[in-house]
Amino acid sequence: GIQVEQSPPDLILQEGANSTLRCNFSDSVNNLQWFHQNPWGQLINLFYIPSGTKQNGRLSATTVATERYSLLYISSSQTTDSGVYFCAVEGVANTGTASKLTFGTGTRLQVTL
Amino acid sequence: DAGVIQSPRHEVTEMGQEVTLRCKPISGHDYLFWYRQTMMRGLELLIYFNNNVPIDDSGMPEDRFSAKMPNASFSTLKIQPSEPRDSAVYFCASTMDWGTEAFFGQGTRLTVV
Repeated sequence: GIQVEQSPPDLILQEGANSTLRCNFSDSVNNLQWFHQNPWGQLINLFYIPSGTKQNGRLSATTVATERYSLLYISSSQTTDSGVYFCAVEGVANTGTASKLTFGTGTRLQVTL
Repeated sequence: DAGVIQSPRHEVTEMGQEVTLRCKPISGHDYLFWYRQTMMRGLELLIYFNNNVPIDDSGMPEDRFSAKMPNASFSTLKIQPSEPRDSAVYFCASTMDWGTEAFFGQGTRLTVV
């Protein structure tokens, strides 16, 4: 099946700092999403971004499908940004990996005061 | 729409007991997924349905696990008999179509003692 690798595995930032999280995947994808799992365990949708660039407030994401990676940018980080960030991908149809999201192992972010 | 709704939020049961987890997908979504999250294995897909039909159950760990979707608005995941190693957070998710954005419920935290 499709492989998803995220880096770094852990990240500690001081409030106000910027960061970039990376997601590499092993095959062509039909869907790529970024999620934030908050300390209460809830999976919150951040971006649906199989290609291109999107921005939502202090967060933005870019997916370069031809090179099989996606980046999540967090600017001016806040303590509420703490948690685990997951990248999840769905392979292209008829490859055996379609219609199901495969998750990376996540980046655990801690933002300190 | 209220989003994907799971119940119960927490379940504590004794080894050997039957456990039933419930999920109501977003109305109009044709795909429903059951995931399990553990520290050791991360988020892994157990089974998914398309138009109430199970499509891929290769992630179901063993015969003690079963899932049904009797109609478009309800699905169950049953474990019988439960074992301590089944302790995990179980998530349900739904999508409108393949390749579209997935939305997750708040999860059921299962503890088998």
